[in-house]
Amino acid sequence: AQKVTQAQTEISVVEKEDVTLDCVYETRDTTYYLFWYKQPPSGELVFLIRRNSFDEQNEISGRYSWNFQKSTSSFNFTITASQVVDSAVYFCALSEARSNYQLIWGAGTKLIIKP
Amino acid sequence: NAGVTQTPKFQVLKTGQSMTLQCAQDMNHNSMYWYRQDPGMGLRLIYYSASEGTTDKGEVPNGYNVSRLNKREFSLRLESAAPSQTSVYFCASSSDRSYGYTFGSGTRLTVV
Repeated sequence: AQKVTQAQTEISVVEKEDVTLDCVYETRDTTYYLFWYKQPPSGELVFLIRRNSFDEQNEISGRYSWNFQKSTSSFNFTITASQVVDSAVYFCALSEARSNYQLIWGAGTKLIIKP
Repeated sequence: NAGVTQTPKFQVLKTGQSMTLQCAQDMNHNSMYWYRQDPGMGLRLIYYSASEGTTDKGEVPNGYNVSRLNKREFSLRLESAAPSQTSVYFCASSSDRSYGYTFGSGTRLTVV
């Protein structure tokens, strides 16, 4: 069973639209960590955010925001006023004690921002 | 620049050849990892090293060996390359198991 599900394989929007990338996770641990990474067309993997299971506060960083809801086991990522430079594959990942804190990756969502 | 350095960036091997992918980090991180990324399959862990002197298998270790030479360096060796090992390989490191990873820029390996 998948522990991190990113159901959206690919999303395409027009520049300046808002877009939300979904991430649903499964864990039985009470202490765990959630991450988002960005992989632009150049191929590198860029860390975006880390959130621990005890902190359900939403986070905003410029045009990026993250909504963590334990009740629905979701950690969704929203880009406001999207830009062409946001085009990338975005990965959600889970780190839990029972997996020795190794990152468990979602399959990724390819985001295409059209000008 | 501080971070994770991988070499080479590109490599073409013939089936049966061997090679070593090099990885070094200068952030004094304890843990280091090797991943492969194949189209549509996300990232899969090959081997990891939680600390200097220790290594453990990940999800897809067959056909690979690793060496944690010191705290900075973690190499991945393909003893007899196969076309199924054509992939992009990423090295990563982290200071603590629960922290995010810093990734190298990747090695694109093609086995013909």
